[in-house]
Amino acid sequence: AQKITQTQPGMFVQEKEAVTLDCTYDTSDQSYGLFWYKQPSSGEMIFLIYQGSYDEQNATEGRYSLNFQKARKSANLVISASQLGDSAMYFCAMREIDRGSTLGRLYFGRGTQLTVWP
Amino acid sequence: GAVVSQHPSWVICKSGTSVKIECRSLDFQATTMFWYRQFPKQSLMLMATSNEGSKATYEQGVEKDKFLINHASLTLSTLTVTSAHPEDSSFYICSAPHQSSYNEQFFGPGTRLTVL
Repeated sequence: AQKITQTQPGMFVQEKEAVTLDCTYDTSDQSYGLFWYKQPSSGEMIFLIYQGSYDEQNATEGRYSLNFQKARKSANLVISASQLGDSAMYFCAMREIDRGSTLGRLYFGRGTQLTVWP
Repeated sequence: GAVVSQHPSWVICKSGTSVKIECRSLDFQATTMFWYRQFPKQSLMLMATSNEGSKATYEQGVEKDKFLINHASLTLSTLTVTSAHPEDSSFYICSAPHQSSYNEQFFGPGTRLTVL
């Protein structure tokens, strides 16, 4: 079974509007971390935001916020006030912390290609 | 934030040759590094976990004799693609978790390999 599911292969949003990118995850661990990364066409992976499984409040970083619904096992990324430079591939990822080292590998979803139009 | 570098950023080689890719943590020590492969329009797939001072752990389906990993120091891991073939053409990315930061893994900029 896939650990990270991103059901939107592509999303379009107009500049200055908000957009939500979906992510659901599957784990039996109690302790885990959820990440969102942005990958522009250059290929570099840019860290956007992190949510720990025990964090009670939704994470926010500037225009990025993570809508964490633990019971639903979803961790959607909300980008407010979209900019043209936000056009990129976005990956949701999870690290299972219970399984040995806290420095564990990341499981990635298939990604969502976001296009922001003027 | 912490910095991870990769070298080279791109490489073109002939089929049958070997290519070495370096991953360095520039301002922190990394006992563990991860090597991912990404085909166009696809997700990152973990190939192996590189452990300083011990053998790498390979994911199922990854040939350890073809993708040689050496983690010789706390700041350097190398991936050698031996006898490369066109199907090995891909984007290879390394990452290193920062021991004092449980919230972030730092990625290298990636290496684009093209095998002719």
